[in-house]
Amino acid sequence: DTGVSQNPRHKITKRGQNVTFRCDPISEHNRLYWYRQTLGQGPEFLTYFQNEAQLEKSRLLSDRFSAERPKGSFSTLEIQRTEQGDSAMYLCASSLGTSGTKNIQYFGAGTRLSVL
Amino acid sequence: DAKTTQPPSMDCAEGRAANLPCNHSTISGNEYVYWYRQIHSQGPQYIIHGLKNNETNEMASLIITEDRKSSTLILPHATLRDTAVYYCIVSPTGTASKLTFGTGTRLQVTL
Repeated sequence: DTGVSQNPRHKITKRGQNVTFRCDPISEHNRLYWYRQTLGQGPEFLTYFQNEAQLEKSRLLSDRFSAERPKGSFSTLEIQRTEQGDSAMYLCASSLGTSGTKNIQYFGAGTRLSVL
Repeated sequence: DAKTTQPPSMDCAEGRAANLPCNHSTISGNEYVYWYRQIHSQGPQYIIHGLKNNETNEMASLIITEDRKSSTLILPHATLRDTAVYYCIVSPTGTASKLTFGTGTRLQVTL
């Protein structure tokens, strides 16, 4: 499978715990995006990387959230001191670039987080 | 803020064409129209995109009005597997091009 891979698919945690999600983009895609989706809503942009550089962060990304993309390959999204409001589907996408066809973003299946 | 307006839901009989409208009256000259869909419990899937000309691929056709203020996604022969939420998104090229999703149209294909 050469698509975007996300792990784990599901995560249940207790409030106050830290969680980390991983995203493996399509090989050679230099852009990687994180989105969050709550029930009944469309995905909302969180942050994106070009290679290893994090170039934009949404205001949705509070100080408890941190994302990395070491070496410009896979990415991790960590949430510290989770709150019940963090319960959502976290989606990762990758693309070749931003010009026309290269801006097509390919999404993973997501990680569903439930904070108890 | 989403720059598009879509009906919240639509029904279509299997085998018939599904025509999903989208209004994007504030679209800028450098913005493309993208369509994605999301089948339950999966990530969004790219369908098609266009700038001003009509486009067709193996999945669908995209009809953009001459003034570019609206578009229609056409699934020519809908099947039960096309039941999904369809998102119409406008996004500029040459920039970060994060996608701004609205709430989309929930298409229900029935027998």
